[in-house]
Amino acid sequence: DAGITQSPRHKVTETGTPVTLRCHQTENHRYMYWYRQDPGHGLRLIHYSYGVKDTDKGEVSDGYSVSRSKTEDFLLTLESATSSQTSVYFCAISDHPYGYTFGSGTRLTVV
Amino acid sequence: AQTVTQSQPEMSVQEAETVTLSCTYDTSESDYYLFWYKQPPSRQMILVIRQEAYKQQNATENRFSVNFQKAAKSFSLKISDSQLGDAAMYFCAYSSTQGGSEKLVFGKGTKLTVNP
Repeated sequence: DAGITQSPRHKVTETGTPVTLRCHQTENHRYMYWYRQDPGHGLRLIHYSYGVKDTDKGEVSDGYSVSRSKTEDFLLTLESATSSQTSVYFCAISDHPYGYTFGSGTRLTVV
Repeated sequence: AQTVTQSQPEMSVQEAETVTLSCTYDTSESDYYLFWYKQPPSRQMILVIRQEAYKQQNATENRFSVNFQKAAKSFSLKISDSQLGDAAMYFCAYSSTQGGSEKLVFGKGTKLTVNP
C-alpha cells in the first residue's frame, strides 16, 4: 500500500542464521507494528514501536528483536532463525484512531 | 488482555446473496475501536469497516454493514449482494484507546467463499 513498504517480499534462509526484515513508511506515523500470520492463528503481534527508540513486546516476541532508529524505519530481526519462524510477516503503521495500514507482507521460509 | 473470537472458520454464500460473519470480543474497557479487514489471495490487508464503541449507530460502507451490540460484545459483518470479488479471509480486530500502544488484536479469521 502507498506509504508503507516491506522488504524483502520473499526470503528463504537456513536454520540458525540471523534474518532482518525491513519496514519503511513515508507517512510519519508514530506507531509501527510487526505481526506474523500463521494458518489458524490470524495475525499475532510480535513487537511494536511508539516512537524512535521506543519499542515493546507483543504476544509472540520470543526469538525476535526490533529496532527503530528513525521514524520511518522499523526493523525486525530473527536472531537465530528456526523452522517455527516460517511465516508471513506484516508490518503496519497507525494514525490511530483512524486506521491501520499494512505492508504487503514478507513470506519467510526457514529450512 | 483483550481477545477476539471468530467462531466460523469458513463460510460460503451464493453470488448476490447476503452473508453474515460473526465476531465476539472480550474487554473490560468502555472505549475502543473495532475493525473488519479483508485479505484476498493477494495477501494484502484491506480495511473494510471501522466502528467506534461510543457510537450507537452501526457503521456501513456500501454493501458492508455491521451489527454492533456493545453489551453482548458482538460485532458481526453483513455483506449484501455478495460478489465474486468478496471471496477472501475476513479478520475481526479490536483496538484499545488506553495504554498508549493502540495495537490491534485479531481474531483467527473466517474464510469466505462466494459461489457463482
